Amino acid sequence: QKEVEQDPGPLSVPEGAIVSLNCTYSNSAFQYFMWYRQYSRKGPELLMYTYSSGNKEDGRFTAQVDKSSKYISLFIRDSQPSDSATYLCAVYGNNRLAFGKGNQVVVIP
Amino acid sequence: EAGVAQSPRYKIIEKRQSVAFWCNPISGHATLYWYQQILGQGPKLLIQFQNNGVVDDSQLPKDRFSAERLKGVDSTLKIQPAKLEDSAVYLCASSLTADEQYFGPGTRLTVT
Repeated sequence: QKEVEQDPGPLSVPEGAIVSLNCTYSNSAFQYFMWYRQYSRKGPELLMYTYSSGNKEDGRFTAQVDKSSKYISLFIRDSQPSDSATYLCAVYGNNRLAFGKGNQVVVIP
Repeated sequence: EAGVAQSPRYKIIEKRQSVAFWCNPISGHATLYWYQQILGQGPKLLIQFQNNGVVDDSQLPKDRFSAERLKGVDSTLKIQPAKLEDSAVYLCASSLTADEQYFGPGTRLTVT
């Protein structure tokens, strides 16, 4: 069983739509949860970071964590063409960061 | 604040050749990481340094990959000899705290 499962299917949405991404993880030792954004031919950049169950908002972005079901989500409201990128979920624990495969998101103007 | 620097950005080599990548972390970051990102996959940790000591190299293919971090700052990652399956983006990251890592732009390696 992989440590982090993220359905890597691409996602195309019209501008203004809500984007919903999710991951599951397998090990309760993971205590910190992140979403990274990776533009084409760039390195990942930290987008959202949380360590507790519940929601965390930052502008148009909301990260949601449910530790009881080991499920993490990212929502992007009012999506913009500049949000077109690959979004990677990541979990941290035992001095290690484990990534999902990433979702390529395309926001169509 | 300057970010993580990597060079070269792109490299094309033939199988069985050797290649080296260089990384300069963010100033003051004691921890440095090398990741391999194969197309369509998330980054996979190859090696983690704390200052100039190795913390984790459990996923580094040591028969062909080597890495060093002299003087606890810059680092180099070497592959010798390269195989076709080594084609990937090699990402360097650095951090003050292990949970918040900052990535460089990566080196895209193509092995033909």
